[in-house]
Amino acid sequence: AQSVSQHNHHVILSEAASLELGCNYSYGGTVNLFWYVQYPGQHLQLLLKYFSGDPLVKGIKGFEAEFIKSKFSFNLRKPSVQWSDTAEYFCAVNSPYGGSQGNLIFGKGTKLSVKP
Amino acid sequence: NAGVTQTPKFRVLKTGQSMTLLCAQDMNHEYMYWYRQDPGMGLRLIHYSVGEGTTAKGEVPDGYNVSRLKKQNFLLGLESAAPSQTSVYFCASSFPHEQYFGPGTRLTVT
Repeated sequence: AQSVSQHNHHVILSEAASLELGCNYSYGGTVNLFWYVQYPGQHLQLLLKYFSGDPLVKGIKGFEAEFIKSKFSFNLRKPSVQWSDTAEYFCAVNSPYGGSQGNLIFGKGTKLSVKP
Repeated sequence: NAGVTQTPKFRVLKTGQSMTLLCAQDMNHEYMYWYRQDPGMGLRLIHYSVGEGTTAKGEVPDGYNVSRLKKQNFLLGLESAAPSQTSVYFCASSFPHEQYFGPGTRLTVT
């Protein structure tokens, strides 16, 4: 069965620090990869996605992620975090082939707290 | 274009009561989903639908039923609520891979 692992449960950073959140997945075939963000009290919003092509993808608000197929990883990065980036971040994966394989499998999330 | 909407936003039930959560989307998406979110557990799929009139079980379907009579609506029912169903429920829709989420329903079962 597919699974997604997010290594850090809670990350605390000061403003302007660099961020890297780890995500690894287990699935032997072609995958679509996503990072979602959930600000306090809000619903999930898409940060960025990878379907195919350039493995370095850029998303909203200065976030980027790199797909490394050999490592089954899709780590999220931001060079300089802001207090407004305080949120919970979810990595997710699905198969591009639809049906139940198209269902998203989510990691358990990483809470990011940015100190002003 | 409202996207994905959910009603109600909050609800408190007593054990054994029933209720229905409504999800509506105006993006003409084929796929719709119901998730529950619990602290430290991420999002877990309850049921999903790949089109009008079809539904299927997800990871945690027990105690829930769903219906998709119209393409734009996906209903989640709890026939006999239990305290273990206290959670935040999110609906999502997609066409088919990038999912768009609703604002959530916070349900407390006492």
